[in-house]
Amino acid sequence: GNSVTQMEGPVTLSEEAFLTINCTYTATGYPSLFWYVQYPGEGLQLLLKATKADDKGSNKGFEATYRKETTSFHLEKGSVQVSDSAVYFCALSRSGAGSYQLTFGKGTKLSVIP
Amino acid sequence: GAVVSQHPSWVICKSGTSVKIECRSLDFQATTMFWYRQFPKQSLMLMATSNEGSKATYEQGVEKDKFLINHASLTLSTLTVTSAHPEDSSFYICSAILAGLILEETQYFGPGTRLLVL
Repeated sequence: GNSVTQMEGPVTLSEEAFLTINCTYTATGYPSLFWYVQYPGEGLQLLLKATKADDKGSNKGFEATYRKETTSFHLEKGSVQVSDSAVYFCALSRSGAGSYQLTFGKGTKLSVIP
Repeated sequence: GAVVSQHPSWVICKSGTSVKIECRSLDFQATTMFWYRQFPKQSLMLMATSNEGSKATYEQGVEKDKFLINHASLTLSTLTVTSAHPEDSSFYICSAILAGLILEETQYFGPGTRLLVL
């Protein structure tokens, strides 16, 4: 079955540091890949997505590239801010009919200190 | 943007009682809503897919008689945990998809409901 593995947290960085959160997946077919972010007290929000191999999703300075050869979708940001402190979830959709159903990783908590 | 609310945000109940959790799309219509549960330090696990006006589709291993889902309108889905037991204690999260945009793949999530069964 489908599964998503992302790096264990928590991750603590100083402001303006470089961020990488690793995500690898196992899936049949050609899933779409997502990063969701959950700020304290709020629901999950879509951060970025990629729907096919070599696609790069980007938003708010965050980027992730769909690497089929390594089955990865690592999240990166060149310079984090305190406001980026949140929990980040990597996810994939089942391919084919009903592709809106998501499989999530466990989440990685990021804390950015001034 | 699309906002989804859940009520209550947390609930404590005695073993054997039933608990109802509401999920509302506040500024859009949602033909499809999803229910997830999340254990500490675990990923969100899809429990069921709820379609307005029809029976919910449950994931393998989820007891449909235990977790009753009703999606009576385009803005409201409810999850009732019947005869709750301590092992049902968890964080329950709902999400919704904008009506007519099912291929968009963007789910809008509620803030979650924390259930503690004593």
